[in-house]
Order: sequence, then C-alpha cells, then structure tokens
Amino acid sequence: DGGITQSPKYLFRKEGQNVTLSCEQNLNHDAMYWYRQDPGQGLRLIYYSQIVNDFQKGDIAEGYSVSREKKESFPLTVTSAQKNPTAFYLCASSIAQLEQFFGPGTRLTVL
Amino acid sequence: AQKVTQAQTEISVVEKEDVTLDCVYETRDTTYYLFWYKQPPSGELVFLIRRNSFDEQNEISGRYSWNFQKSTSSFNFTITASQVVDSAVYFCALSEAGMTTDSWGKLQFGAGTQVVVTP
Repeated sequence: DGGITQSPKYLFRKEGQNVTLSCEQNLNHDAMYWYRQDPGQGLRLIYYSQIVNDFQKGDIAEGYSVSREKKESFPLTVTSAQKNPTAFYLCASSIAQLEQFFGPGTRLTVL
Repeated sequence: AQKVTQAQTEISVVEKEDVTLDCVYETRDTTYYLFWYKQPPSGELVFLIRRNSFDEQNEISGRYSWNFQKSTSSFNFTITASQVVDSAVYFCALSEAGMTTDSWGKLQFGAGTQVVVTP
C-alpha cells in the first residue's frame, strides 16, 4: 500500500538529548513537510523540502534540523536547543502544491 | 496575519443533525487552493477535499458538501445527518500558488473546529 509512515509512534526524550523522528513515503512525491501540533492548536510548519537535497525553514524551525538525502525519506531531528519539544509531530508529502497526505504522527514527550 | 479563520472552536450536535463549519480565508494571490482535513482522535490528518480558486462550483460527496464563495472569501463545510464517527477536529487550509520560494506549497491551517456528535 502507498502511504507515509512515521516512527516511532511515541518517543520520550530526556533533557539535553537530541532525538530523530523518521518519516518515509512511497508515494513518489517530491515535496515533504514537517509540522508540529500542540494540544488544542492547529499545525505549524517546521521545515519543508520541495526536492531531494534541498529544504527550507518553515515558521518555527529554531531547535530543529532536517535532511533530504533520498526522495522517500525526510527525518527530523529535535535538538537540545528546542526548549519546549513536547508535542505531536506530523510528516506530510505532496505533489507540488496539491493536497498533502499525512503520516500517523509521533508524540514526543520530554521527561 | 492569520490567513485562515475558523471562528467556531467547538460544535456539539446530536446524531442526525446537520452541522456547518465555517472557514474564512485571506489572500492576495489570484491563484490558490483551499482544503479541508479531518483529524479523528487517532491524530492522523485525513484529506477531504481540494478546491481551486478558479472553480467555484459547490461539491457534494455523500453526506459531505462544500460551499465555496470567492465574494465572501469563504469555504464552508456541511456534514448532513451527522454520525458519531464524524466526531473529530476539522481543519481548513489555504495554499497560495505563487511562484516565489516563500509561499510555494506552504499550507496555512486554521485553528480547527472540534465537532462532537452524541448519540
């Protein structure tokens, strides 16, 4: 089945640790995105990538980093510089500017 | 400035009632896309519909219908004869189709409307 997978589903981080969230898609989409969602809030764009080996900062990129070495993969690293990382993280992909399809999400909690 | 406004935070209805979700958007682009997404309790966003700014035809899909009016910058969503499975948060989103790097492909989401359908 074509789709987007994210792992892990739940992730716990200690203070000062970097953690990496995985996002893989087999939809052959060029564009991929990372969003953050806080309880009761909408989605905010962290980073996006229009094509392999290229990515741009979204609205809240501070404390996060990404890479796009393969078309299928767009991992997100939450660094220790992100002061309030507890949130629900959603990855998405799309064909150009058309509808984005989302993965099941990763819930990150800082212990 | 907020580009997508969903003024209704939560709507509660009894099963079989109709429910309309409001979405008002703001853009200077003449070409843009509007979307509706459903987020059930599991958390994954489910794509419902895309509407091109040049296509003002209303659309019906089963119990779902959408009313797009450029004159009022609105893209409202109606669920007819609601069911418990419709309980979710619904997001309206805007994508400006400008060719600048700054706006390309970026979805502007509204804050979402929580729909609660009780039996």
